[in-house]
Amino acid sequence: ETGVTQTPRHLVMGMTNKKSLKCEQHLGHNAMYWYKQSAKKPLELMFVYSLEERVENNSVPSRFSPECPNSSHLFLHLHTLQPEDSALYLCASSGSSYNEQFFGPGTRLTVL
Amino acid sequence: AQSVTQLDSHVSVSEGTPVLLRCNYSSSYSPSLFWYVQHPNKGLQLLLKYTSAATLVKGINGFEAEFKKSETSFHLTKPSAHMSDAAEYFCVVSTSYGKLTFGQGTILTVHP
Repeated sequence: ETGVTQTPRHLVMGMTNKKSLKCEQHLGHNAMYWYKQSAKKPLELMFVYSLEERVENNSVPSRFSPECPNSSHLFLHLHTLQPEDSALYLCASSGSSYNEQFFGPGTRLTVL
Repeated sequence: AQSVTQLDSHVSVSEGTPVLLRCNYSSSYSPSLFWYVQHPNKGLQLLLKYTSAATLVKGINGFEAEFKKSETSFHLTKPSAHMSDAAEYFCVVSTSYGKLTFGQGTILTVHP
C-alpha cells in the first residue's frame, strides 16, 4: 500500500494486555492524527501531531498513549483498555494542519 | 464553533438514477468543506473539497458538490449511480486552523 498504512488491521486484546497500533505515511506530510470510529457515532479526533509535536489531545483517557518519533510514524500505545474502547482506529496525515487529510485503512480493535 | 448536519442517515437509489446526499454546515469562519467516502472495512477516501474557489466542485468517480453560502449547504450529487458507489459518505467542515468536524454519515445503498 502507498499513502497511509496501518498495522495491524485487526487486533483482539484482553483488558490487561498492552499493545500498540502503528501508522506510517509515505506522503511527506507534516501532521498526523488518530481518530476513533465507533458504531453510530461521528468520527472522534483523539490526537493531533504537527511536526512531531502534540498539538491537540481531546480529553482522551490516559490508557491511550500516542507517540510520534518522526514525521512519518505515529503510534498509539494501549494498556488496560475497556470493552467500550472497541472500535475502528483511523490514522490520517496532512501536508499541514490546514490541508485535507488522507486516511489509512484503520485497525479494527476488539477488547474482550 | 462549527458543526455539520447530514440530513439523511440512509439514502437508497436504483442503479443509473441520480444521487443526492444532503449536508448543512455551521461555521464562524469561511470554511473549507470536504466529502469523504468509506467503503466497508476501509479507511476514508477524499471525494472532493471546497476551499473558497469555484462554488461547484468536481470530485472523483463523477461526484460533484455545490457550495451555497446563503443556504449553508454543501450537497453531494452524482447524475447516475453505480453499484460500486454503495458506501458511507461523510460531510466534513474544517476550521481556519485545520480541525475537522465530521457529520454523522449517510449510508448509500444502490439497488440493481
